[in-house]
Amino acid sequence: EAGVAQSPRYKIIEKRQSVAFWCNPISGHATLYWYQQILGQGPKLLIQFQNNGVVDDSQLPKDRFSAERLKGVDSTLKIQPAKLEDSAVYLCASSPRWGENTEAFFGQGTRLTVV
Amino acid sequence: EDQVTQSPEALRLQEGESSSLNCSYTVSGLRGLFWYRQDPGKGPEFLFTLYSAGEEKEKERLKATLTKKESFLHITAPKPEDSATYLCAVRDNNNDMRFGAGTRLTVKP
Repeated sequence: EAGVAQSPRYKIIEKRQSVAFWCNPISGHATLYWYQQILGQGPKLLIQFQNNGVVDDSQLPKDRFSAERLKGVDSTLKIQPAKLEDSAVYLCASSPRWGENTEAFFGQGTRLTVV
Repeated sequence: EDQVTQSPEALRLQEGESSSLNCSYTVSGLRGLFWYRQDPGKGPEFLFTLYSAGEEKEKERLKATLTKKESFLHITAPKPEDSATYLCAVRDNNNDMRFGAGTRLTVKP
């Protein structure tokens, strides 16, 4: 079974620039999460999708972050404009539909450095 | 709001020296508590799910237990390859999975 795919693996941008991350979840998984993991900290939940609908985006800084999941499969997370404090690893995870309370599977993450 | 607190932040053990990691939580409607292992530069890797107080799960040198307020990850006779960051997460009634800060474990040969 193919795992969660994320790209790019690494990205370096200057502050005030924009950046986008892509995630392809495990086939058939309805739930998709985006997390931000700052060095030395645990993953912080940014947004949860159920199919192509947003379940929870209360932790997403909506003035600069946006996310979408068209057709309930792939997802993109965008930052515009980036700040120095956005430097982190952005992790995507997926799990089967809500009623199946199983673990979430993670991708390798995208490491973002804002200079 | 859901809170997950892990302790200690870091733990250094000699090979063969058993110990426990703690995860305490407050959550609105616990649907599951998850333990993950994370190696540097990689995404978290699933270890265990616990659903109700009193439940226990084992895998090789690891054993996870759950009470109504906390979970423990017991490591018996660890080896250097067990060195990693161990993360605890809770899933609530909204299907959100929230993580603690992790415990960074180092096992010296």
